Parts: sequence; structure tokens; C-alpha cells
Amino acid sequence: DIQMTQSPSSLSASVGDRVTITCRASQGINNYLAWFQQKPGKAPKSLIYAASSLQSGVPSKFSGSASGTDFTLTISSLQPEDFATYYCQQYNSYPITFGQGTRLEIK
Amino acid sequence: EVQLVESGGGLVQPGGSLRLSCAASGFTFSDHYMDWVRQAPGKGLEWVGRSRNKANSYTTEYAASVKGRFTISRDDSKNSLFLQMNSLKTEDTAVYYCARSRYSSGWHTDYWGQGTLVTVSS
Repeated sequence: DIQMTQSPSSLSASVGDRVTITCRASQGINNYLAWFQQKPGKAPKSLIYAASSLQSGVPSKFSGSASGTDFTLTISSLQPEDFATYYCQQYNSYPITFGQGTRLEIK
Repeated sequence: EVQLVESGGGLVQPGGSLRLSCAASGFTFSDHYMDWVRQAPGKGLEWVGRSRNKANSYTTEYAASVKGRFTISRDDSKNSLFLQMNSLKTEDTAVYYCARSRYSSGWHTDYWGQGTLVTVSS
């Protein structure tokens, strides 16, 4: 199975900050990497697929990039509604696997 | 508007069975792969399994933790996805999400249902 390791596990930031979350795959995944946002008590929301493509309707403040087996999600100009938990997911091979999540909190 | 609505969750004893349903609307259901993803209380997301579309013969994939106990099926005529869960264990307690996947640079998830809670306890 492909292991997805996210860092950090939690992150404190202020409104207006720019933050970056990293996800590392244990082997190559052909950039078949997605990012999801989840707020407490709610279903996940899809943000990015293919490492850097935005889902329809997702604001451009969210961006993704890839370098080999390392992937990053960057959120610019944090707003109160952006504080949530973020997950990466590889869908290159089965079983599909998720990172453990990064909790983004207000400082 | 794409909508996915799960139902069928509840309390079941260990060793019991439960069948979850996901009613889809707002898109051509038969064109899409469909997944089940679960989340145990206070934990992260865990992929459960996938149903491919008609063009790919409705074949399925499962996580090792549920293989042989869970079965995914679908009825395209009713725009519905199902998860038959047998031999349930306490560790299967979770919110179960139905999710749609579309093809663009691989089959990736784009929409999620609101989830249904399954509690396995005596």
C-alpha cells in the first residue's frame, strides 16, 4: 500500500496569513493526488485533483504543486472559513489512501 | 446540482449486518465511478471501496479491512449505490460517506454525500 504522510499534523495561523501543508507519498503516484477540506461535523469538500488542478468553484486562493513524491497545498490570505482539517489522498493505485490530516487552527 | 444522500445507518450488534444506500441525482450516474469512504469518531478518512461504471463492467475494489465482509453494488436504473456490510465489528463504527468520482487525469473524487452514522455495539 502507498503511505501518505502529511506535515504538520496541526498548524496555527492568523487571518491573512499564507500557509503550506505538505504530503509525501511512499512511492511514485503519477501526480494522482487530491486535497480535501473538512470542517467539524461536515462532509469533506474536494479542493484539488491531479496535484494542482482546482475543482470547479474552488477559489484560486487554494493552490497545489508537486515535486516527485512531495506535494504541497498552499492557502493564501487565510479567512475564518478556511480553518478546518485538510487531507491529501492518492488515487494512483488501490487501495486508495489518505494522509492522516492537518488541522489548521486560528492563532 | 449534484446530490448524494446516504441512508440506512444505525445501531447494530457485533456480528450483525447492515445495508447502506446512496441516492444520487443531478448527473448521469451510470457514467461515474462511486466510492464509499468512512470516518471513525475523531479519526481521519479511510477509503472503503469503489464501484466502477458500466463501461468498466461494474467491477469493484475494496480495502483490506473490509474485503470479504462488505459488498458494493449499484442500480443504475435507480441512480443508487449500496454498501452491504456483514460480520460487523466494533471497529467498523464510523460515518460512512458516498462519493462520486469523475475522470480527468485519473478517477478522482469531486462530490461527497453528507454521511450516515453506523454504530456497532452490544
